[in-house]
Amino acid sequence: NAGVMQNPRHLVRRRGQEARLRCSPMKGHSHVYWYRQLPEEGLKFMVYLQKENIIDESGMPKERFSAEFPKEGPSILRIQQVVRGDSAAYFCASSTQRDRTFGSGTRLTVV
Amino acid sequence: GIQVEQSPPDLILQEGANSTLRCNFSDSVNNLQWFHQNPWGQLINLFYIPSGTKQNGRLSATTVATERYSLLYISSSQTTDSGVYFCAVFRETSGSRLTFGEGTQLTVNP
Repeated sequence: NAGVMQNPRHLVRRRGQEARLRCSPMKGHSHVYWYRQLPEEGLKFMVYLQKENIIDESGMPKERFSAEFPKEGPSILRIQQVVRGDSAAYFCASSTQRDRTFGSGTRLTVV
Repeated sequence: GIQVEQSPPDLILQEGANSTLRCNFSDSVNNLQWFHQNPWGQLINLFYIPSGTKQNGRLSATTVATERYSLLYISSSQTTDSGVYFCAVFRETSGSRLTFGEGTQLTVNP
């Protein structure tokens, strides 16, 4: 079992560009969560998805951010028109019903 | 929402020393996990421990759910234990999210 796979590990974008972060959950897991970690801080919940459904997006900014988990393929976190404040580590986790397993994260740097 | 406080915020140890990290939470929880974020940023799941005591090698954890705290014990610390230790809790009535504390930054010196 390869665990939760995130790519890319590092992503550099210029202000105004789009960032696409991908997450493949563990085999057999149908729940995906995205968290953001700003420098020197803990992780903050963004969004919870199941296949083809957004269950809880209360932690995600209303503008520029979107997430999907299609029937086939990885979950995608999309950030449009990135700004410097979007620079952070973005972690994905998957679960069945109990504990969450996290991926290694994508470190986004906006220059 | 539920509040999670970790202490101490920073801890410096000599190799071989023991330590105790604490996590207090403001309300009853259905799930509590301890994570280690290593210096490369990877988040490692240490324990799923909503109540009781568990041990894994030099690490052990105890959660006293009725008193709303959890402790992580590290014995005979090694330099590879360095990193940030996070406590995270989940409460069904708060939806699906794990709420993280701000972490304890541990540095183990040789």
